[in-house]
Amino acid sequence: AQSVTQLGSHVSVSEGALVLLRCNYSSSVPPYLFWYVQYPNQGLQLLLKYTSAATLVKGINGFEAEFKKSETSFHLTKPSAHMSDAAEYFCAVSVSSGTYKYIFGTGTRLKVLA
Amino acid sequence: DTEVTQTPKHLVMGMTNKKSLKCEQHMGHRAMYWYKQKAKKPPELMFVYSYEKLSINESVPSRFSPECPNSSLLNLHLHALQPEDSALYLCASSQGPLAGSSYEQYFGPGTRLTVT
Repeated sequence: AQSVTQLGSHVSVSEGALVLLRCNYSSSVPPYLFWYVQYPNQGLQLLLKYTSAATLVKGINGFEAEFKKSETSFHLTKPSAHMSDAAEYFCAVSVSSGTYKYIFGTGTRLKVLA
Repeated sequence: DTEVTQTPKHLVMGMTNKKSLKCEQHMGHRAMYWYKQKAKKPPELMFVYSYEKLSINESVPSRFSPECPNSSLLNLHLHALQPEDSALYLCASSQGPLAGSSYEQYFGPGTRLTVT
């Protein structure tokens, strides 16, 4: 069965510091992986997605993620955090279990300290 | 236009009321979704419509009744809800069904529902 695990429900970084949000997946077939961001009282917005075309995926707002098959990981990074990056981040995998749907990770709340 | 709109933004209803949530997209997407999201939790899938037909019902109680009148509209009819149904209800759409694809989902801003 396919699944996704986000390590760390809360991450705090200083403004200007590296952001690293962790996501590990479990899949017996090549997965489609996604990172979404949710700002307070809003819907989810796609940051980036992995479709097997390239292992290093660049997304919006300066975020990128690297697909590492050997580590079954798809961690999200940003070189320099901004205050506006404070939000909830969800990793998701598109799975087949009879019918296709997303499985979301439990989310990581990013706090950016001034 | 890459927007999914949802109305109303906020809804307060009693346990005996009947209300409806509305979702609309004009991106030509052929799959639409309803999710329920509790505070500090990921979205939970409720229903999926694919080409205007219900393709997934995640064992949702019958007090929630989805409807897809056309390819652009998705409704969620609510009746006799319980206080534990209070949550953010999110609508989403994707270009097509997710089967074997890397389609991303586009989410609306949600309806904040409070059941009193």
